[in-house]
Amino acid sequence: DSGVTQTPKHLITATGQRVTLRCSPRSGDLSVYWYQQSLDQGLQFLIQYYNGEERAKGNILERFSAQQFPDLHSELNLSSLELGDSALYFCASNKMGQNYGYTFGSGTRLTVV
Amino acid sequence: AQTVTQSQPEMSVQEAETVTLSCTYDTSENNYYLFWYKQPPSRQMILVIRQEAYKQQNATENRFSVNFQKAAKSFSLKISDSQLGDTAMYFCAFMKQPNTGNQFYFGTGTSLTVIP
Repeated sequence: DSGVTQTPKHLITATGQRVTLRCSPRSGDLSVYWYQQSLDQGLQFLIQYYNGEERAKGNILERFSAQQFPDLHSELNLSSLELGDSALYFCASNKMGQNYGYTFGSGTRLTVV
Repeated sequence: AQTVTQSQPEMSVQEAETVTLSCTYDTSENNYYLFWYKQPPSRQMILVIRQEAYKQQNATENRFSVNFQKAAKSFSLKISDSQLGDTAMYFCAFMKQPNTGNQFYFGTGTSLTVIP
């Protein structure tokens, strides 16, 4: 157990639907990062939150949004889902300024049918 | 901008043998950290080893060691006595120091298969 908790582990939904992925960072970590990994692809950075505020944005579609709550958990909302959104979505956390890399959750596998 | 390149999409090694995975990076920064992450079939991302750029000594973690060549901007991973459980995708990553935002960059990965 890495200390970063992601739920659900698997999600199957239809095109056009909306889903919410949840992440609880490791205790004491204020930064949360979301990544998308499509089949046989590398990790694409989506967005970062630090202590409730958006800190950095990557290649995140307008149909996607995220937020970080006062208890530091984060949610990634994916709407108007398309087949191409099927992927593994990772959450990672760390302490800003800390140099031990990111701690990753086990991911949420999203399948859009 | 920083880039991380892994030029070997796939590699294989016989069990108990040694294999080296290559990684090069491009940066104008002087202070940074380098990492190797492992992603087994379970898809969990696991930190394997990290290297501080200011340290000349190469990092070692049990059977895993790196060859860090700062001038050449090279950061290879050596796996000794390969085991079946080492079969995974390996990602090289660069992190700017200090990490004040998304300063983490991943390579595209090398898929390693350990053959019994």
